[in-house]
Amino acid sequence: GAVVSQHPSWVICKSGTSVKIECRSLDFQATTMFWYRQFPKQSLMLMATSNEGSKATYEQGVEKDKFLINHASLTLSTLTVTSAHPEDSSFYICSAGGSSATGELFFGEGSRLTVL
Amino acid sequence: EDKVVQSPLSLVVHEGDTVTLNCSYEVTNFRSLLWYKQEKKAPTFLFMLTSSGIEKKSGRLSSILDKKELFSILNITATQTGDSAVYLCALGGSNYKLTFGKGTLLTVNP
Repeated sequence: GAVVSQHPSWVICKSGTSVKIECRSLDFQATTMFWYRQFPKQSLMLMATSNEGSKATYEQGVEKDKFLINHASLTLSTLTVTSAHPEDSSFYICSAGGSSATGELFFGEGSRLTVL
Repeated sequence: EDKVVQSPLSLVVHEGDTVTLNCSYEVTNFRSLLWYKQEKKAPTFLFMLTSSGIEKKSGRLSSILDKKELFSILNITATQTGDSAVYLCALGGSNYKLTFGKGTLLTVNP
């Protein structure tokens, strides 16, 4: 079964509104979670590293004031897209933890955001 | 800065064909190289490679790593339409951080 849960799986919003996406680790604690963004026909690009109890670390070119990340507990990180615009429409996916035996990382199911 | 380059970017084959997907990389501190298959949603884990020359195999898929030449290949034999997907190669970093290549879009026609 899933070990990382992401919600919502899809969301449509109006331009200028804010959208919150949740990423939860199930049955394990994750001090670090990662947020990726994927545009159509492109690869996953790391946006930021979410650190429990401290500020997120953003990749170059990612606006931290636009993509607010909160990792207030060891099982939950949230990504809030503030004042969303159509160009923010994308597939957002989180990852948390992995298997030290196989190397598999645990991804959430992803959230498809469409901004009208 | 870590870098992953995949080729080809897209590939169209017929069922039954064998395909080889390429992944070259640049990295400061190598930990692992991973292959994922992505269809419509989250990537599905295929392999993790850490040592050169040791083939990892799962059914019709296999992969190998060359740490001297800094590349890996993913082979798929007797392709099926269900193999159609984007195949992602990624470098594994500390704390499960991944750096992805752009992916190879594989289309298998009946």
